[in-house]
Amino acid sequence: DGGITQSPKYLFRKEGQNVTLSCEQNLNHDAMYWYRQDPGQGLRLIYYSQIVNDFQKGDIAEGYSVSREKKESFPLTVTSAQKNPTAFYLCASSTRLAGASYQETQYFGPGTRLLVL
Amino acid sequence: AQSVTQLDSHVSVSEGTPVLLRCNYSSSYSPSLFWYVQHPNKGLQLLLKYTSAATLVKGINGFEAEFKKSETSFHLTKPSAHMSDAAEYFCVVSLPRQGNKLVFGAGTILRVKS
Repeated sequence: DGGITQSPKYLFRKEGQNVTLSCEQNLNHDAMYWYRQDPGQGLRLIYYSQIVNDFQKGDIAEGYSVSREKKESFPLTVTSAQKNPTAFYLCASSTRLAGASYQETQYFGPGTRLLVL
Repeated sequence: AQSVTQLDSHVSVSEGTPVLLRCNYSSSYSPSLFWYVQHPNKGLQLLLKYTSAATLVKGINGFEAEFKKSETSFHLTKPSAHMSDAAEYFCVVSLPRQGNKLVFGAGTILRVKS
């Protein structure tokens, strides 16, 4: 089955601790994304990557870091600098065709809920 | 700037009656538009998308949406609600010139009464 997996489903963070959320896809997609979801606010983009070894900040990148060493993996680290990390985190991916004029669909993983102890 | 507004934060319908979830967008050029559905504690699932082809778009589970440029609207409809339709729905506009960035509406929670 092709798809996007996120782990763990629930994650607890202690104060001052960095935690890493995993996102893996076997869809052979070039582009990957991280979103944060808070109640009543829709989704906000944290970071995105169009290709391996390259990534860009989204709208709310402060307190987060990412890496893209492999095409299929895009882990997100929530650092101690993120003062309000409690949220539902969603990873997504899409194909990227050079010169394409149509919109590519983003496919989402099941999410990780991060809670602060 | 592009943005999307979902006009109702909550919609309640009875099972078997029509569903209408409203969405308006603003865009400086022809947008691509999506509707996603999210069941509690789950990821988002694509219902349908508009990409400048037919203005009436049919999606999964009997949903459809009509792109109306003159009204800058992309409302989601379904003729007859089912209990399993109870979920949160997001209207989304894309920014293909900015790395395929999606801009999400705040969401509409659909409640279906038996």
